[in-house]
Amino acid sequence: DTAVSQTPKYLVTQMGNDKSIKCEQNLGHDTMYWYKQDSKKFLKIMFSYNNKELIINETVPNRFSPKSPDKAHLNLHINSLELGDSAVYFCASSHSSSGYEQYFGPGTRLTVT
Amino acid sequence: QQQVKQSPQSLIVQKGGIPIINCAYENTAFDYFPWYQQFPGKGPALLIAIRPDVSEKKEGRFTISFNKSAKQFSLHIMDSQPGDSATYFCAASRGSNYQLIWGAGTKLIIKP
Repeated sequence: DTAVSQTPKYLVTQMGNDKSIKCEQNLGHDTMYWYKQDSKKFLKIMFSYNNKELIINETVPNRFSPKSPDKAHLNLHINSLELGDSAVYFCASSHSSSGYEQYFGPGTRLTVT
Repeated sequence: QQQVKQSPQSLIVQKGGIPIINCAYENTAFDYFPWYQQFPGKGPALLIAIRPDVSEKKEGRFTISFNKSAKQFSLHIMDSQPGDSATYFCAASRGSNYQLIWGAGTKLIIKP
């Protein structure tokens, strides 16, 4: 009964490839997020969706495209992967009424070689 | 205006000591200040949070102190244990804005 789940947990791929990371939450939340955490542990918000609508779209290369098929799912597709994309990607969710209380998934460690 | 500055970057404390992590903000519109704890290989998890109308909040061994006039807040861990070793993040949010503004994180090591 995992609250926020992500697949895969590890992803190793070559430069130029396209990959997707999937996220699902079973908490009944209406807002979901994608974060990138670099090697220095800095957390950077990438996208946020509320009720399947994009509400935050930080300065992220357009090679990154989120998709929210329903309120419980938020996937991240990355085109033409680059070395600098190597990081841990976290999905999170919250109620829109308490956005400060976010529940994070276990993370996907992406390594681009 | 949107930044949250966190210090120190890393901290080593002996077991039983009281590590203190500090954060400062500029935007007075922030109205919620959570702290998150992240263990290696895991996602961050909400630890404790405070609103600016409260000067102190305790949950177990964890205490947030809030100084509204100085625009600073800090996390204290009483009777620290090796199991508290983790990275701690402070953050701030503004009303119904969904975005958390994150500090840079503090890697805390509690030595046995």
